[in-house]
Amino acid sequence: EDKVVQSPLSLVVHEGDTVTLNCSYEVTNFRSLLWYKQEKKAPTFLFMLTSSGIEKKSGRLSSILDKKELSSILNITATQTGDSAIYLCAVEDSYNTDKLIFGTGTRLQVFP
Amino acid sequence: NAGVTQTPKFRVLKTGQSMTLLCAQDMNHEYMYWYRQDPGMGLRLIHYSVGEGTTAKGEVPDGYNVSRLKKQNFLLGLESAAPSQTSVYFCATSGPGATAPFSYEQYFGPGTRLTVT
Repeated sequence: EDKVVQSPLSLVVHEGDTVTLNCSYEVTNFRSLLWYKQEKKAPTFLFMLTSSGIEKKSGRLSSILDKKELSSILNITATQTGDSAIYLCAVEDSYNTDKLIFGTGTRLQVFP
Repeated sequence: NAGVTQTPKFRVLKTGQSMTLLCAQDMNHEYMYWYRQDPGMGLRLIHYSVGEGTTAKGEVPDGYNVSRLKKQNFLLGLESAAPSQTSVYFCATSGPGATAPFSYEQYFGPGTRLTVT
């Protein structure tokens, strides 16, 4: 059965810390991996990764995909309280039904 | 530009009642999706649509029906609500640049919190 597993489930840090969030997947036919940030309501898109080893960067956030290890990491440097959110990882399976499978998310809390 | 909107924002239903959730988008996106989000379960796809007049089943379609009569609207119906359908429902769309339903970033609506008693 296809699945996406994120770790840790929850993380509490202080402002300025650097965090690494993990996403591993078992999907029949991988097409892409996506990261979303969910604050109070709807998820907002962060990155889409399709190629192994190519880092995508946006400000203090960066992400990279490792197709050999079937995983991805999301790094946040110099964390701020505004980074507090649930970070969702999703993997696109292109086989038959083109499913998008979400992990349960990592809840990040950044304290001043 | 409103983006993706959902109505209603909140609803309480009794078991057996029916209702329709409306998703509307003004981004001219081809693909639209309905998800439900439950604690500890992440987001799960209910149904999706690859264009006006088309619908397809997702991961958890039972107990729901959908229609896409107009490109900008995607309706999610519950014919006979059950307590197991208590959840937060998100609509999402994806559009230009998408080569397949999930090949591009999705834009989410604000969500509808549904409670079935």
